[in-house]
Amino acid sequence: ETGVTQTPRHLVMGMTNKKSLKCEQHLGHNAMYWYKQSAKKPLELMFVYNFKEQTENNSVPSRFSPECPNSSHLFLHLHTLQPEDSALYLCASSQDTTQVYEAFFGQGTRLTVV
Amino acid sequence: RKEVEQDPGPFNVPEGATVAFNCTYSNSASQSFFWYRQDCRKEPKLLMSVYSSGNEDGRFTAQLNRASQYISLLIRDSKLSDSATYLCVVNIHQAGTALIFGKGTTLSVSS
Repeated sequence: ETGVTQTPRHLVMGMTNKKSLKCEQHLGHNAMYWYKQSAKKPLELMFVYNFKEQTENNSVPSRFSPECPNSSHLFLHLHTLQPEDSALYLCASSQDTTQVYEAFFGQGTRLTVV
Repeated sequence: RKEVEQDPGPFNVPEGATVAFNCTYSNSASQSFFWYRQDCRKEPKLLMSVYSSGNEDGRFTAQLNRASQYISLLIRDSKLSDSATYLCVVNIHQAGTALIFGKGTTLSVSS
């Protein structure tokens, strides 16, 4: 149903694990984003890709590593995370970054770090 | 000062009530303004854009005051299905940037 698909929907990982979140959009958009949503905080922009090029890294720790192999796919590689990294990770896409009139979100991956 | 500020609520109202949410933004270079809606444990979805002249979509009316850097959303004749978190969003339209979200205002409509 949704034009932006995220997998997995839920993930529990230990602090020493390595995992990856996947996002795919079928909307023909050129910009993709990772946002983090923690309880009682606004959505925090993590990374921005425009035409496969990373244009923004919003002071995100290096334990989060994005990858954008093409305009339709976006990954977030996770390693040695901390419990405070537990949150809802949302992927979004838009036509491009200069005229963002609407961003379409995936359903998110709810991550728990134990 | 936070980039986008909203009263988190919650706003608890009966069906049929009129409720208004306010939002302020700090960056005077902001050019586009939106209200998104987020249901519990779901992703945010665009509710409506906000135009300088004000705009209405059914029971929803959005207003923008650029001088005061203030945005509002009015919901008339509230329905149970309006219960959600309403996110105020701005965009400064610089290359490589993205939408900036407020924390959201939670609305609970009861019968």
